[in-house]
Amino acid sequence: NAGVTQTPKFQVLKTGQSMTLQCAQDMNHEYMSWYRQDPGMGLRLIHYSVGAGITDQGEVPNGYNVSRSTTEDFPLRLLSAAPSQTSVYFCASSPGTGGEQFFGPGTRLTVL
Amino acid sequence: AQSVTQPDIHITVSEGASLELRCNYSYGATPYLFWYVQSPGQGLQLLLKYFSGDTLVQGIKGFEAEFKRSQSSFNLRKPSVHWSDAAEYFCAVWGDYKLSFGAGTTVTVRA
Repeated sequence: NAGVTQTPKFQVLKTGQSMTLQCAQDMNHEYMSWYRQDPGMGLRLIHYSVGAGITDQGEVPNGYNVSRSTTEDFPLRLLSAAPSQTSVYFCASSPGTGGEQFFGPGTRLTVL
Repeated sequence: AQSVTQPDIHITVSEGASLELRCNYSYGATPYLFWYVQSPGQGLQLLLKYFSGDTLVQGIKGFEAEFKRSQSSFNLRKPSVHWSDAAEYFCAVWGDYKLSFGAGTTVTVRA
């Protein structure tokens, strides 16, 4: 199993550009989530999904969109990037709600 | 909504000495609690978790944590620290379909 994979590993955007961060898992996990990590703030939940076709907002959802058309994939979209979205983004998955979450390696995003 | 507080931003410990990292949580019901570790430039790895039962939980790499409901705490301990334990440690609580993290504690190990 590859576990949770994220692409790209690094990305530099200009203000106003859009992009999609990819996340995939091959463990048939129902629950998937996106976090951003900023110094001194830990990880903050952006969006989550409890299964295909179901998504909901986390703590810091503004400026981000998600969809979950399959169990395996959970992409995160930035529609119009802003410097405040410079961060490290982690995707995670879990077999169900409340269990251990398995994290991907992260994507480091810089918005100029 | 749940929350987690890690009072210590940075701890320095000598190799071979004991380590204790503090974690206080806020959640109305019985919490599911976790400790994760993150080495520099890496993702997060689960050290241990508490769901119910025995309040002293054993994890990987020689770590353990004790759940104290009366103090709303879930402190992480290791009896003898190795240089490879230098990392950032995060406490987290699960509730309402969300995992909430503390701000983290950075551990430096000196020779």
